[in-house]
Amino acid sequence: NSKVIQTPRYLVKGQGQKAKMRCIPEKGHPVVFWYQQNKNNEFKFLINFQNQEVLQQIDMTEKRFSAECPSNSPCSLEIQSSEAGDSALYLCASSRTTNTEVFFGKGTRLTVV
Amino acid sequence: AQSVTQPDARVTVSEGASLQLRCKYSYSATPYLFWYVQYPRQGLQLLLKYYSGDPVVQGVNGFEAEFSKSNSSFHLRKASVHWSDSAVYFCAVSAGNTGNYKYVFGAGTRLKVIA
Repeated sequence: NSKVIQTPRYLVKGQGQKAKMRCIPEKGHPVVFWYQQNKNNEFKFLINFQNQEVLQQIDMTEKRFSAECPSNSPCSLEIQSSEAGDSALYLCASSRTTNTEVFFGKGTRLTVV
Repeated sequence: AQSVTQPDARVTVSEGASLQLRCKYSYSATPYLFWYVQYPRQGLQLLLKYYSGDPVVQGVNGFEAEFSKSNSSFHLRKASVHWSDSAVYFCAVSAGNTGNYKYVFGAGTRLKVIA
């Protein structure tokens, strides 16, 4: 069973509001991923980290999305100004290396009303 | 860039019947391949993985998958399904040691097991 902890499980925000979610990766996993899963079950990669450094991120992430993985603190993903299209399940995953299996948390379901 | 196709959006099988869920990948080199399962209101759970070696890999709960380089496939199989196997199954590929660290997921196959 995965030991990746995501909080909160559910998040409801109005359009234009900030939305912030957190992730504690599994102990000993320096690599962290954030994915967005839409209602059609499609996954969109957002960003990944190795320790505190960003490895890759998509353009969307660079504009309204921000993420960090500070040392000795939970990782976080924040949407500065939520839009209806951001409503989705946000999944955090961690891994021992950049290409071995990833382990997922239960996700944060964001609803933007 | 790698990609994954799961051609069957929905599959319905009877309890006790055998199962095959299809996965085709596109990648120029040998990828790392995974199958995950997602139950309602849960995150994804790893079923099995393939890195190299024996093309048939065993996973949890009686699942296995077979890698075929010639067919660019990684189909998931189970000899006898149980009602609790009803879930959404995702095939995923990573690019190994190329420096592209993203995992790419298929669109998923929703499995329904009926009595």
